[in-house]
Amino acid sequence: DGGITQSPKYLFRKEGQNVTLSCEQNLNHDAMYWYRQDPGQGLRLIYYSQIVNDFQKGDIAEGYSVSREKKESFPLTVTSAQKNPTAFYLCASSMNVWDGIQGGYTFGSGTRLTVV
Amino acid sequence: QKEVEQNSGPLSVPEGAIASLNCTYSDRVSQSFFWYRQYSGKSPELIMSIYSNGDKEDGRFTAQLNKASQYVSLLIRDSQPSDSATYLCAVSNSNSGYALNFGKGTSLLVTP
Repeated sequence: DGGITQSPKYLFRKEGQNVTLSCEQNLNHDAMYWYRQDPGQGLRLIYYSQIVNDFQKGDIAEGYSVSREKKESFPLTVTSAQKNPTAFYLCASSMNVWDGIQGGYTFGSGTRLTVV
Repeated sequence: QKEVEQNSGPLSVPEGAIASLNCTYSDRVSQSFFWYRQYSGKSPELIMSIYSNGDKEDGRFTAQLNKASQYVSLLIRDSQPSDSATYLCAVSNSNSGYALNFGKGTSLLVTP
C-alpha cells in the first residue's frame, strides 16, 4: 500500500542535541511538507519542497534543517538552535504543489518529540 | 503573515443536531479551502474541499465559501458522537508556494 511513513513515532531529545525525523513516501509525489503542531494549536509550516534538490522555508524554519536528495525522502533535523522543540511533527505530501491546492495532502502518522 | 482564524471552542451539540463551524482568512488571493478532521493524537484527515463561492455538499457535510467576506464554514448534519474531534480549516497560502495555512482548529463535542 502506498503512503507516508514517519519514524520514529516517539523521540526524546536531550538539551543541545540534534535529532533527525524521518519521512518517506512511496506515492511518487513531487511535493513534501513539514508541519509542527503544539497542544491546542493548528499546524505551522516549517519547510516545504516542490521538487528534488530544492526546498523553501516556511513560517517557522529557524532551528530546523531539511534535505531533499531523493524524491521519496524529506528528513527534518531539529537542531540545538531550536529552543522549544517539544511538539507533534507531521510530514505531508502531494502530487505537486498545485495538487496540494486541490487538497491532495497525504499525511504521515506523526512524530512526537519531547525534550528531556 | 497570512492568518486563518477559528473559534477554538469547544462547541457542544447534541446527537442528531447540526454543528456549524466557521473560519475566516486574511489572504485575499487564496484559491483553495479545506476542512480537516483531527482526532486526538492522530494526523489530520481531509473531509471537504471547496474552491468557488457557494455551497458544496458531501453526505452529512456541507462546506460554504464566501470569498467577498473571506469566510468559509462547515456544517455537519445529524451529528454523531464519532464526529467529536478537532476541525481544522486550511487555506492555500500565496506566500508559501501555495502550501496550506491552517487555523488552530475548533473542538467539537457531540453529546449522546
